[in-house]
Amino acid sequence: QSVLTQPPSVSAAPGQRVTISCSGASSNIGINYVSWYQQTPGTAPKLLIYENNKRPSGIPDRFSASKSGTSATLGITGLQTGDEADYYCGTWDSSLSAGVFGGGTKLTVL
Amino acid sequence: QVQLQESGPGLVKPSETLSLTCTVSGDSINKNTYFWGWIRQPPGKGLEWIGSIDYSGSIYYNASLASRVTMSVDTSKSQFSLKLNSVTAADTAVYFCARHRMVRGITYFDCWGRGTLVAVSS
Repeated sequence: QSVLTQPPSVSAAPGQRVTISCSGASSNIGINYVSWYQQTPGTAPKLLIYENNKRPSGIPDRFSASKSGTSATLGITGLQTGDEADYYCGTWDSSLSAGVFGGGTKLTVL
Repeated sequence: QVQLQESGPGLVKPSETLSLTCTVSGDSINKNTYFWGWIRQPPGKGLEWIGSIDYSGSIYYNASLASRVTMSVDTSKSQFSLKLNSVTAADTAVYFCARHRMVRGITYFDCWGRGTLVAVSS
């Protein structure tokens, strides 16, 4: 049971836009910054978004994110088959004094 | 460009101790702006944060594992290590080491090792 809640799967057609939600609580998303990771099979997670909405160098602007209250959302526009992956949100939980992740969302590009 | 590489046995017997080391290259492990963390992923499941340590030895552990986990850092070798004792089959996972930015409510893992699969089996 993950501290952060994500939908198990989402899907959309190539070229379309998709959003992935991440729901938390006042002790984690509510007061701390959110990060997002992309993981393809057999590889390590890759940082996509940090500090709620910032992209590391090399991450295309098709990836964006936002935070409101105790929830966060990752958005991907212009979907490509290469975007098929598992996506995880993460943050710090100040009550637990622990790093926490969502359970992951599998993106299928139909 | 920072690189992290995990090393250690790929097979551990039940009740024994899992020991892994992460070697950092391309960056100083002594930076006070970063922690160095361990994250694991059981086969087919999601990510679980195990703990993070900084160059001075300040440590945060996942409470669910804290009674079995020990982390340490060797700045002279640019390495940090994980020990997990009394392992069971539930500890079978890919173990990742990662650079962990953690300051003032900001937390993220920006560089990851490739991961190493550790199986617990007799």
